[in-house]
Amino acid sequence: LAKTTQPISMDSYEGQEVNITCSHNNIATNDYITWYQQFPSQGPRFIIQGYKTKVTNEVASLFIPADRKSSTLSLPRVSLSDTAVYYCLVGFRGYQKVTFGIGTKLQVIP
Amino acid sequence: GAVVSQHPSRVICKSGTSVKIECRSLDFQATTMFWYRQFPKQSLMLMATSNEGSKATYEQGVEKDKFLINHASLTLSTLTVTSAHPEDSSFYICSAIAAGGPDGELFFGEGSRLTVL
Repeated sequence: LAKTTQPISMDSYEGQEVNITCSHNNIATNDYITWYQQFPSQGPRFIIQGYKTKVTNEVASLFIPADRKSSTLSLPRVSLSDTAVYYCLVGFRGYQKVTFGIGTKLQVIP
Repeated sequence: GAVVSQHPSRVICKSGTSVKIECRSLDFQATTMFWYRQFPKQSLMLMATSNEGSKATYEQGVEKDKFLINHASLTLSTLTVTSAHPEDSSFYICSAIAAGGPDGELFFGEGSRLTVL
């Protein structure tokens, strides 16, 4: 399983765009990159998943360079409710056990 | 979207008793479920992989006789913490993979907070 490295914490003001980068140097050919959000005392919630280039949905964008050794989750115009821990996971589309890294604690400031 | 429900969401028990936590996939069949444990301010730690109709696979360091996992149907997996002690107090989370699902997305339950007195 590819190991991931993320910043432990980030602060951002409301309304700003936040980019969280995850390093996964040992990503395998079949591996997808998935980001989850977790609020205190809740289970993780799926945000976005991608394999290469760029993926966008209603809440975020995911940028993956050609070498796929890293990925960046982009949250446009964050609000206070986006304060949470964000996890980057790498694996074969969930058809195998996944292990969580430490995650990035995002604090949105008014 | 797919929903995974855990019950109970909170449980308090006395030391030495056993506690059962249920994980149900409400609108899909789950051939595989995972159980995680999360201590305060820490990440999720995978405890075991539960496959329907077969024995669970435990991660290194997780006592299978203490954390009994049963996956008797495609919609239900249970985790029983036997002879619980205060150090077992934690947030337990399950996740499930939809059988035959094309996306392989992991669906997580809401978590169950266990407090052992």
